[in-house]
Amino acid sequence: GDSVTQMEGPVTLSEEAFLTINCTYTATGYPSLFWYVQYPGEGLQLLLKATKADDKGSNKGFEATYRKETTSFHLEKGSVQVSDSAVYFCALSDGYGNTPLVFGKGTRLSVIA
Amino acid sequence: DTGVSQDPRHKITKRGQNVTFRCDPISEHNRLYWYRQTLGQGPEFLTYFQNEAQLEKSRLLSDRFSAERPKGSFSTLEIQRTEQGDSAMYLCASDLEGYEQYFGPGTRLTVT
Repeated sequence: GDSVTQMEGPVTLSEEAFLTINCTYTATGYPSLFWYVQYPGEGLQLLLKATKADDKGSNKGFEATYRKETTSFHLEKGSVQVSDSAVYFCALSDGYGNTPLVFGKGTRLSVIA
Repeated sequence: DTGVSQDPRHKITKRGQNVTFRCDPISEHNRLYWYRQTLGQGPEFLTYFQNEAQLEKSRLLSDRFSAERPKGSFSTLEIQRTEQGDSAMYLCASDLEGYEQYFGPGTRLTVT
């Protein structure tokens, strides 16, 4: 079945550092890809998404590009802030969109001032 | 738009007891999903509804679990004869078909 693998955490960075969280997937067909974020004490929120190969999703300074050739959707941000401290989940759904999501295990990011 | 709400937020129960959770989706959303999240893991799909029809159930959903969405609005998830392995965060999400899933805050279940 479909699956998502993302890098193990926790990741600890200093403020203004560059962030990469790796995510690779296994899926039949052409899935849609998502990054969700869970801030402390809050529910999951969609951060960004991409629905086809070479699409770039972006939001709040975060970016991820749908790479079909490497089955990857790595999350990047050029300069992290303390407020970015959260758990980040990579997820996919089948190509028809918004059917049940398959999530990775999550990566906890801590940004220190 | 008040978002997805879940009740209760926390539930502590003894092994063998039955528990029921409620989810109220965003009002115009026709799809409703249940997920389970254990510590250090991502959410895992349990079941989902389109309007009142239950369209898919994961093999994670044992026969002790049942979900309903009787009028296509709120949903309930019942766990019978709870076991310690049922301890988890139960998440509800909703969407309008083809658009973003919105998640509720979750119900944390602790089985003692």
